[in-house]
Amino acid sequence: SAVISQKPSRDICQRGTSLTIQCQVDSQVTMMFWYRQQPGQSLTLIATANQGSEATYESGFVIDKFPISRPNLTFSTLTVSNMSPEDSSIYLCSVARDGSYEQYFGPGTRLTVT
Amino acid sequence: GDSVTQMEGPVTLSEEAFLTINCTYTATGYPSLFWYVQYPGEGLQLLLKATKADDKGSNKGFEATYRKETTSFHLEKGSVQVSDSAVYFCALRRSNDYKLSFGAGTTVTVRA
Repeated sequence: SAVISQKPSRDICQRGTSLTIQCQVDSQVTMMFWYRQQPGQSLTLIATANQGSEATYESGFVIDKFPISRPNLTFSTLTVSNMSPEDSSIYLCSVARDGSYEQYFGPGTRLTVT
Repeated sequence: GDSVTQMEGPVTLSEEAFLTINCTYTATGYPSLFWYVQYPGEGLQLLLKATKADDKGSNKGFEATYRKETTSFHLEKGSVQVSDSAVYFCALRRSNDYKLSFGAGTTVTVRA
């Protein structure tokens, strides 16, 4: 397994601003992912965070709106840019180790945009 | 594409009642199937999994059997407790792929 922490755990932001969410893992992992969970809905994969290269985004998500960094094998950030109330969601990071497809999830960041 | 359909909630039960949450899937090949649980205010935790047909995953009194003939992976628990109150997600993952496809989630509330 893996111990994953996210910061902040929750935030309330004004529309038009940006928020950067951090994901820290207790050991090196191959794969890191970012998900969005809109209120009352299921999880949707935003992107795969690639170490040393640009993230791989899923359909409907773009880098300008959700820039992602992954400077090393234990850390990643997701920025939600130019926020609107529709961005109010829980954002979760998950990780998987090389050779295993099991994903472990962080506790999530609850974002409210007013 | 891949998809997961699970029973809509919310589901409200009394303690010691029997719980079933239906889950069916559409996917090519032989995906792995999962149940994740999200307790109030927390992230997702893997509850159980099955990687091939007829496998039974089990954990914390919960069970689910991978039924390829009916493309189902229903979650069951014989006697629920208040602490089982949570949102339950069914998910699938294709072989040799990291991507998870989730169902909509089922909110379960267990009353004392």
